Amino acid sequence: EAGVAQSPRYKIIEKRQSVAFWCNPISGHATLYWYQQILGQGPKLLIQFQNNGVVDDSQLPKDRFSAERLKGVDSTLKIQPAKLEDSAVYLCASSPRVGLPYEQYFGPGTRLTVT
Amino acid sequence: QQPVQSPQAVILREGEDAVINCSSSKALYSVHWYRQKHGEAPVFLMILLKGGEQKGHEKISASFNEKKQQSSLYLTASQLSYSGTYFCGTENGYGQNFVFGPGTRLSVLP
Repeated sequence: EAGVAQSPRYKIIEKRQSVAFWCNPISGHATLYWYQQILGQGPKLLIQFQNNGVVDDSQLPKDRFSAERLKGVDSTLKIQPAKLEDSAVYLCASSPRVGLPYEQYFGPGTRLTVT
Repeated sequence: QQPVQSPQAVILREGEDAVINCSSSKALYSVHWYRQKHGEAPVFLMILLKGGEQKGHEKISASFNEKKQQSSLYLTASQLSYSGTYFCGTENGYGQNFVFGPGTRLSVLP
């Protein structure tokens, strides 16, 4: 079974530029998560999708971050414009269950550096 | 609200035991445990559910005290491969509002 795919793996941009990350979850997984992990901290949930609907985006900085999940499959996360404090690893995870606590399968992440 | 983990870091010799604790000020419906090695993504270890059901796939044990809103992860006879940062996570009982703790860094030395 193929794992969660993310691209790009690394990205360096200047502040005020825009950037987009892509995630393809494990086939058939209904739930998709985007996390931001700053060095030395635990992952912070940005947004959670169940199928193609948003169930939690309470910690998403909506003035600059946006996310969508097309047809309930893959997803993109965008930052526009980027700030220095956005430098982090952005992790995508998926889970096969809806409405129940279940294990999450993480992708390799995208390391973003904002200069 | 983010769960609290203790200790922040621990150093062991191969073969020694360790306990990592996770607590929350709000009611816990489940506690999730993940391990993350440096430069890698978190990997699922175990879920403990309210009512006692436990799901996991590694030889690591854990407990969940619902009344105290605490969970402990037990690593016995540690191996070098156990090194990494351990995170506990909590949710609202419906698989939503997931919050990870700050992590416990475990180093196992030969």
